[in-house]
Amino acid sequence: EDKVVQSPLSLVVHEGDTVTLNCSYEVTNFRSLLWYKQEKKAPTFLFMLTSSGIEKKSGRLSSILDKKELFSILNITATQTGDSAVYLCAVVISSGSARQLTFGSGTQLTVLP
Amino acid sequence: NAGVTQTPKFRVLKTGQSMTLLCAQDMNHEYMYWYRQDPGMGLRLIHYSVGEGTTAKGEVPDGYNVSRLKKQNFLLGLESAAPSQTSVYFCASSYWGTGIDEQFFGPGTRLTVL
Repeated sequence: EDKVVQSPLSLVVHEGDTVTLNCSYEVTNFRSLLWYKQEKKAPTFLFMLTSSGIEKKSGRLSSILDKKELFSILNITATQTGDSAVYLCAVVISSGSARQLTFGSGTQLTVLP
Repeated sequence: NAGVTQTPKFRVLKTGQSMTLLCAQDMNHEYMYWYRQDPGMGLRLIHYSVGEGTTAKGEVPDGYNVSRLKKQNFLLGLESAAPSQTSVYFCASSYWGTGIDEQFFGPGTRLTVL
């Protein structure tokens, strides 16, 4: 059974702190790993990772994938209250002609002023 | 472009009633998906479609049916609603192409079954 596990489940920090969110996976037919941000509405796309060791960056957010150890991390530096959200990790699996996503349960990040 | 839209946004049903959720996308995407999201459980795939006229089961298909008669629309049906189907339902779509796996999500439908 395909499995995606995120940790921690929740995290409370103060503005300016740096956080690291973890995502480990055990799946067959790995294709890519996606990170999404969800703020009480539809998830919004952050990153797509396919190759090990190549960091993706967008402003204060960055992410990296380790395909040997089967995990990814999402870093957020100099956190702001607007970063408060649930961060979802999803692994894309190839299934015949289809691509399916298996999601982790998410990390609830709360950034206090 | 409206992206992915869902109707209705909210619905309350009584046990045993039926309803259909409509998802529409204007991005000419091949793939469409229906998910449900329950507290603390992330998103779970109900059914998906790889093109017009095709559907397939996901992780939690029981109690749901789907149809994709037109490329831009994907319908999710509940024939006899149960309280266990109380959830937030998200539709998503994605492009069929090399190196592009991002799924675009609709705003969600909050369904309560009494």
